[in-house]
Formats: sequence, C-alpha cells, structure tokens
Amino acid sequence: EAQVTQNPRYLITVTGKKLTVTCSQNMNHEYMSWYRQDPGLGLRQIYYSMNVEVTDKGDVPEGYKVSRKEKRNFPLILESPSPNQTSLYFCASSSGLAAYNEQFFGPGTRLTVL
Amino acid sequence: RKEVEQDPGPFNVPEGATVAFNCTYSNSASQSFFWYRQDCRKEPKLLMSVYSSGNEDGRFTAQLNRASQYISLLIRDSKLSDSATYLCVVNRGADNYGQNFVFGPGTRLSVLP
Repeated sequence: EAQVTQNPRYLITVTGKKLTVTCSQNMNHEYMSWYRQDPGLGLRQIYYSMNVEVTDKGDVPEGYKVSRKEKRNFPLILESPSPNQTSLYFCASSSGLAAYNEQFFGPGTRLTVL
Repeated sequence: RKEVEQDPGPFNVPEGATVAFNCTYSNSASQSFFWYRQDCRKEPKLLMSVYSSGNEDGRFTAQLNRASQYISLLIRDSKLSDSATYLCVVNRGADNYGQNFVFGPGTRLSVLP
C-alpha cells in the first residue's frame, strides 16, 4: 500500500530534550516536506526537500533541522525543543515538483513539549 | 493581511443542502489552487485542484476568480460524510513549477441528519 508513515504518532517530552520524528514514504517520491498545524493558523511549512541531499527552509524553520540521506526518509529533528513547538506535525511527499502534483500526507505526529 | 483567508465557519447544514465556501488570496502571481479536506485529527487529503475555467467532480464544483483573487467550493446535496474541515491551498509560485504552498486556516462543515 502506497503511504507516508510517521513515528511516533504521539510524543510528550520536556524542554531541551532532543527528539527526532521520522517520516518515510514508499512511493519513490522526490519531493518531501514537513508542516506544523496550529489552531487558527493552518498548516505552515517547516522544511522541504526536492531530492536526496537537497533541503531548504520553509516558512517556519527556526528550531528545526532535517536531513535527506535517502529518498524514502525525511526525519525532522528538534535539537532543543521548547513549549512553542507543541503542535501537530505532518510529513508530506509528492511525485514531482510541478504544482499540480498531489501531496500525500502522513497521519501526523502530535507533539507536546512541557 | 493573511496570504490565504477563508470563511471562518463553522457551517452547520442539513443533509441535502447546498453549501459554498469562499477563500481569498493575496498573491496575484499565484497560478495553482487546491481544495483539501481534513477530517478531525487526520491528515489532509486532496479534494480537487482548481482550474481557471472552473471544474466539477460529482457534487463538488470549484471556481476561480483571478480578478478578485478568490476561490470557491460548492457542495451540492450534502452528505453526512462531507462533515470535515475544508482547506484552501494556494501555490505561491508564479508558474506551475515548484511546491511552495500556503494553506488557509480551514472552514469546518458539519452536515446534520
């Protein structure tokens, strides 16, 4: 089954404790991205990657890192999480860079930073 | 002004009703537009792309008005299963290359029996 998976789905952590949220897609998609969703603000892009070893900042990259060492994986790293990073996070992938290529989203990771 | 704004909702409508959502965008150079559907606590899923000439998919009709910079989604004969949040999505790019999307905050729809 074609899908985007994320782990963990739920995470409660404390300020400053490094964490990684994994994202994997089995569709051989070139384009992957990370979003956060907060009430009233919609989804905001954190980082995106157009291919292996190619990453770039989105609208809200502060406090996050990513890497793209393999085509299928695009982990999101929070080196020193803070409470304002409490949010619902989605990973997405797309088969191409044309604007009309559909984005497929993972199931989401609900992160709480105390 | 936010880049993408939507009717705040929520919309509570009876089954069988016709309901319309509006969305406005600020970047006049944008060329690509979409409606996504998001069920409670789930991931967004593409409902339909919006083409210049307007397009229809079953009970759903999307329209684009470039002069006024707004997009609309019309749902006819509402079903209980249409209850969800509808997200308006605009690609910032001035052409159809590149995925630099801006999501609206969403409009929640509840279809009542």
